[in-house]
Amino acid sequence: EDKVVQSPLSLVVHEGDTVTLNCSYEVTNFRSLLWYKQEKKAPTFLFMLTSSGIEKKSGRLSSILDKKELFSILNITATQTGDSAIYLCAVTGTASKLTFGTGTRLQVTL
Amino acid sequence: DVKVTQSSRYLVKRTGEKVFLECVQDMDHENMFWYRQDPGLGLRLIYFSYDVKMKEKGDIPEGYSVSREKKERFSLILESASTNQTSMYLCASRGGFDRGAYYGYTFGSGTRLTVV
Repeated sequence: EDKVVQSPLSLVVHEGDTVTLNCSYEVTNFRSLLWYKQEKKAPTFLFMLTSSGIEKKSGRLSSILDKKELFSILNITATQTGDSAIYLCAVTGTASKLTFGTGTRLQVTL
Repeated sequence: DVKVTQSSRYLVKRTGEKVFLECVQDMDHENMFWYRQDPGLGLRLIYFSYDVKMKEKGDIPEGYSVSREKKERFSLILESASTNQTSMYLCASRGGFDRGAYYGYTFGSGTRLTVV
């Protein structure tokens, strides 16, 4: 059975801090790892990672995958209150269905 | 942009009622999925479908069924709603296998179901 574990479960930081969110996984025939941000409604796509060691960046967010150690990290630099959300990590394997972790709830305070 | 529409944003139903949650997508995607999201448990896959009239059980199918009579519509059915089915239900769709490098899913806005 595919499995995704995210840590920490929740995090409170001050605006301007840098945070690192962790995601480890076990999946049969790994295809991709995806990060989503969920505020009040549907999860919105952030990154898809398929290759080890290649950093993906979008503004203050970046992510990298380590396929040997089976984990990924999501970094957010210079956090803002608008970054407050649940961050979801998910993997796809043979069946092409997404298996999600429990998410990390990030709260950014002033 | 792909649009995934869930028919109800909030729903309150009584124990024992039959409940239909509807999901429609407008991009001719083959794959559609139903998840439920609960605090501390994340998103868990209930059922998915690779094509019309096809369905596969996910990780937690008990108490649910699905219907995919048309490609754009994927319905989740609670045959006899129970209080432990109170949850946020999210529908998602995706293009077919190996269609480009993007394996991302598009989610609907969710239906928050309360069973009393």
